[in-house]
Amino acid sequence: DIQMTQSPSSLSASVGDRVTITCRTSQSIDKYLNWYQQKPGKAPQVLISGASRLQSGVPSRFSGSGSGTDFTLTISSLQPEDFATYFCQQSYRPRNITFGPGTKLD
Amino acid sequence: QVQLVQSEAQVKKPGSSVKVSCKTSGGTFSTSSITWVRQAPGQGLEWVGRIIPIVGTPNYAQKFHGRVTITADASTSTAYMDLTSLTSDDTAVYFCTLVNCDGVCFFAYWGQGTLVTVS
Repeated sequence: DIQMTQSPSSLSASVGDRVTITCRTSQSIDKYLNWYQQKPGKAPQVLISGASRLQSGVPSRFSGSGSGTDFTLTISSLQPEDFATYFCQQSYRPRNITFGPGTKLD
Repeated sequence: QVQLVQSEAQVKKPGSSVKVSCKTSGGTFSTSSITWVRQAPGQGLEWVGRIIPIVGTPNYAQKFHGRVTITADASTSTAYMDLTSLTSDDTAVYFCTLVNCDGVCFFAYWGQGTLVTVS
């Protein structure tokens, strides 16, 4: 299995802050890395695919970068609706998908 | 507009089985990859397995091998996940998802989730 870690596991921030979340994988996955946002009681929603491709409807304050084993999700100016949990996910091995443990942003 | 509607919450006894359904609309069911992901209370996301109806053969996460069966009924655009020999560790919300690929595949559409409680 491709192991995934995220840091930090939790993060306290304020509206307007610039926030960066890191995801690391146990082996190189090129750019096969996606980011999701999940709010309490809801299903996750994809923000970014392929490490840096912003999905339709996602605000431009979200951005992603990285390749290989190190990836980042950045929120340039935190908005009230951004307080949520963020997960990374690798699709390098589509028959053995793994997720990061999540970063709770409050 | 793609929609995935899952069956209602269930409470099961240890050792029993549960079957969760996921009815899709608005997409191309047969050629889509339908994946099941679960989330234990307060925990992260865990991939259970997937099926591409037109291919037929499902893939399962190693930890569920022998206990999970994922099927798809193209006539009703409905996917099913059957999990047997339940323990309290299987208490979780089970999501079905529909995969999109734009060079990289990702979980584009999600059902509302089905809470399975084993007690």
